[in-house]
Amino acid sequence: GEDVEQSLFLSVREGDSSVINCTYTDSSSTYLYWYKQEPGAGLQLLTYIFSNMDMKQDQRLTVLLNKKDKHLSLRIADTQTGDSAIYFCAESAGMGRRALTFGSGTRLQVQP
Amino acid sequence: GAVVSQHPSWVICKSGTSVKIECRSLDFQATTMFWYRQFPKQSLMLMATSNEGSKATYEQGVEKDKFLINHASLTLSTLTVTSAHPEDSSFYICSARGKGTGPSSYNSPLHFGNGTRLTVT
Repeated sequence: GEDVEQSLFLSVREGDSSVINCTYTDSSSTYLYWYKQEPGAGLQLLTYIFSNMDMKQDQRLTVLLNKKDKHLSLRIADTQTGDSAIYFCAESAGMGRRALTFGSGTRLQVQP
Repeated sequence: GAVVSQHPSWVICKSGTSVKIECRSLDFQATTMFWYRQFPKQSLMLMATSNEGSKATYEQGVEKDKFLINHASLTLSTLTVTSAHPEDSSFYICSARGKGTGPSSYNSPLHFGNGTRLTVT
C-alpha cells in the first residue's frame, strides 16, 4: 500500500527558512499536498502540486518535487511564530474518488 | 473558497451512549466525503469514504455497525458513534471533495472540517 514518511520535528529561528521533507512510495501518485494543522484544529490546505511539475511557488511557500526519488519538500521563507504547527504531507494516487494518504506530520517549532 | 463545517467541535458523552457528528459543505456540492480519525500526536487515519446516495466504504478494521455513516445529500454527511466507549475517544475529522473543484473533478483538493473532539467517560 501507499506509505508517506516525514521527519517528526523541526525547530527554526524566526526569520529563517524552514524546509520540511516528505518521501512517498506510490509511483502512481498524481497529486501531492501540504496541510497545516494548528493545535486542536482541523487541517488547512496550504498548497498542492501535480506530479508532472517540479516546483510550485506561492508567496512564502515553495514546493519541490523530485518524482524520481519520490521526494517532496515544503520551504517556508521568512518563518514566523504563527507558522508553528504540524505540517502533513499527503498524496493521492491515480484518478477517481480516492482519499488521501497522510504522512505522520512534522511539528514545526519557530523560536523568537 | 470551499468551506466545510463540522459540528459539534467537541463533545463529552457517557459510555454506552451514541454521538452524531455532522459534516456540511457550505458552498459546494460534496460528491464524496471522507471521515478520518486522529489520535493524539498521530497522523490521520482514514475510517471510511462516503459517496452521496450510496453506502459508505469502510477501511479495514473499522466496524461499520459501530461507526454509522450517512451521506443523504450532496452537502451533508453524518458519522454516528454508537454505544461509545472510552477507547472511541479521539479527534474525528471529515473532509469533502466536490464536483469539478480544484485541479480536476476527481483529484480536487480535500477541504477539511475543523474536527470534533470526542471524549467518552
